[in-house]
This record gives sequence, C-alpha cells and structure tokens, in this order.
Amino acid sequence: EADIYQTPRYLVIGTGKKITLECSQTMGHDKMYWYQQDPGMELHLIHYSYGVNSTEKGDLSSESTVSRIRTEHFPLTLESARPSHTSQYLCASSPRGQPHNEQFFGPGTRLTVL
Amino acid sequence: KQEVTQIPAALSVPEGENLVLNCSFTDSAIYNLQWFRQDPGKGLTSLLLIQSSQREQTSGRLNASLDKSSGRSTLYIAASQPGDSATYLCAVSGNTPLVFGKGTRLSVIA
Repeated sequence: EADIYQTPRYLVIGTGKKITLECSQTMGHDKMYWYQQDPGMELHLIHYSYGVNSTEKGDLSSESTVSRIRTEHFPLTLESARPSHTSQYLCASSPRGQPHNEQFFGPGTRLTVL
Repeated sequence: KQEVTQIPAALSVPEGENLVLNCSFTDSAIYNLQWFRQDPGKGLTSLLLIQSSQREQTSGRLNASLDKSSGRSTLYIAASQPGDSATYLCAVSGNTPLVFGKGTRLSVIA
C-alpha cells in the first residue's frame, strides 16, 4: 500500500476562510499531483510538481496555489474559500523515471464550503 | 487534446459473472495507461499499469489489454464478487500527466 497521506479527510468551513490541505508521502517520490473531483465526475488535474521548487498548473483552472519546499510535502492553499470550491481533492505521487510513471493516490480531502 | 471515454457508465451483474469494461482514448501518443479502482468517498487504488509497448497486464482475476493504435483498452474481471463493487477508472499519460475517464460504476449482486 502506498504511503501517501492527506489531512484533513473532511473539512466544513465558511466562505472567506483561508484553508490549507496537506499532502505528504514517505516514498521519496519526485513527482506530486493535486486533482479535483466533483461527485460522479472525472478527476481533473489542478497542480503538479516534478521536484522541489517546481510547480505547474494543470488542465483545470483553479484559484488554489501550491508549494513544494520539501520533497515529501505538497500543500494546497485556498486564500478565500467559496462554495464553488466544494469538492473532493486528491493528492498523488509517482517516482522518478519515465515522464509519467504509475501514480499512487492518497485518501482524499472532502471539502465543503458553506 | 486527449479525451478518455469509458463504456458503460454503470454495470450491474450477478456474482460469478465474467465482465469487460471498456476505455477509449483519442490520442494514441501515450506513455502508459492505468486502471484504478475507487470506492465511494475514498481515494484511488492502482490496479494495473500498461506501458505503451505492452499489450496486456494481469493481476489475479484482472486482465487489462491495450491496443494503442486503435486507442482502446479493456479491463476483464473474472468470476466477479460483491467486493468488486466500485467505480473503475481508466487514465492515460502522454505529454501531460494523467487524463481520466469518468469511470464505470460496477455493482456485483450476491
């Protein structure tokens, strides 16, 4: 089983609050990813990183930001949460090697913004 | 732009049946294709990864095939069990990270 962790698992918060979703992995993977998934819909990539100090935006525009200061840690931040941000956020990682190796996923954070 | 389609969207079968889930993609220039399982409210579990140079991969009761030139993959599940009930997602990687289909929601009835 992959060692990739996300906290919190569930978060209910009011509009306008700043939130940070945590993601960490203990496998030493260089590449990390954030996906957003609405209920019953497909996953959309919102951010990815190929290593420390490297971050890129995915194919779905997002108001969130990410940072990669340490290899094992890839937090996602929303400066001012809105109801439209309500969704499930999934973090993944993959090892160095081919451009896009097998990805391992965390359990996800289900965010509800009231 | 890569697009991934999965058919059917939902499937209900009695326990013990063999079944096939289908995945198609529009751009055949891929590095690999991955099949995942997702249980309700949970993350994704990787089932099988097929590199672009491979034709199939097997793990237990699961067999995945890849026909890159026609842009198709199938996931074969043998002797289905109620514990197989979940959503099965297909994803391909090319010049961008994984692009996912919407999934097939499988229910295996005891």
